[in-house]
Amino acid sequence: EIVLTQSPGTLSLSPGERVTLSCRASQSVSSNYLAWYQQKPGQAPRLLIHGASSRATGIPDRFSGSGYGTDFTLTISRLEPEDFAVYYCQQYGSSLTFGGGTKVEIK
Amino acid sequence: QVQLVQSGAEVKKPGASVKVSCKGSGYIFTSYHIHWVRQGPGQRLEWVGWINTGDGDTNYSQKFQGRVTFTRDTSARTAYMELSDLRSEDTALYYCACFPYITRGSAYWGQGTLVTVSS
Repeated sequence: EIVLTQSPGTLSLSPGERVTLSCRASQSVSSNYLAWYQQKPGQAPRLLIHGASSRATGIPDRFSGSGYGTDFTLTISRLEPEDFAVYYCQQYGSSLTFGGGTKVEIK
Repeated sequence: QVQLVQSGAEVKKPGASVKVSCKGSGYIFTSYHIHWVRQGPGQRLEWVGWINTGDGDTNYSQKFQGRVTFTRDTSARTAYMELSDLRSEDTALYYCACFPYITRGSAYWGQGTLVTVSS
């Protein structure tokens, strides 16, 4: 099973700041089958990025994904108030697993 | 539009079984695997497994092997997850989802079914 480790666990930031979230896999993710999700309290996860760097339908371009192999990054270029949430990475190249999540909270 | 609608909340005693349903609409039901994902209170997302809605093939996370069974009824456009020998740590929100990333660039989630295990 591929284990995904996200860091940091929590980020305290202000609106307008740039955010970089990390997701590291215990082994290479085949075909860069890595997705990023946003989840707010009481809601199902919302897909942001798939294939490591492809934005999902309707996702603003302030969200971008990058990475290859075992190291992946989600960047939010400028935090909006609605972006404060928990972010999960998911690999779907070998069965499916999720990372532990990074909480982005208001400073 | 693609929708997944799940059955309602359940309360079960330890050792019992629970069966949750997930009805798909707005797409060809047999086109996409249905995955099951759970989330305990304040916990991370945890993948339970998937069912191939076309041929019924299944793939279960090792953690749940032997305790979980996925089935589907294609005429009813519905997938089912049955979890047996319930424990308090199985208390969670159970989601069904499909991930047609390549064909639709999207993911679709049910609204979640809360399963509470309590004596």
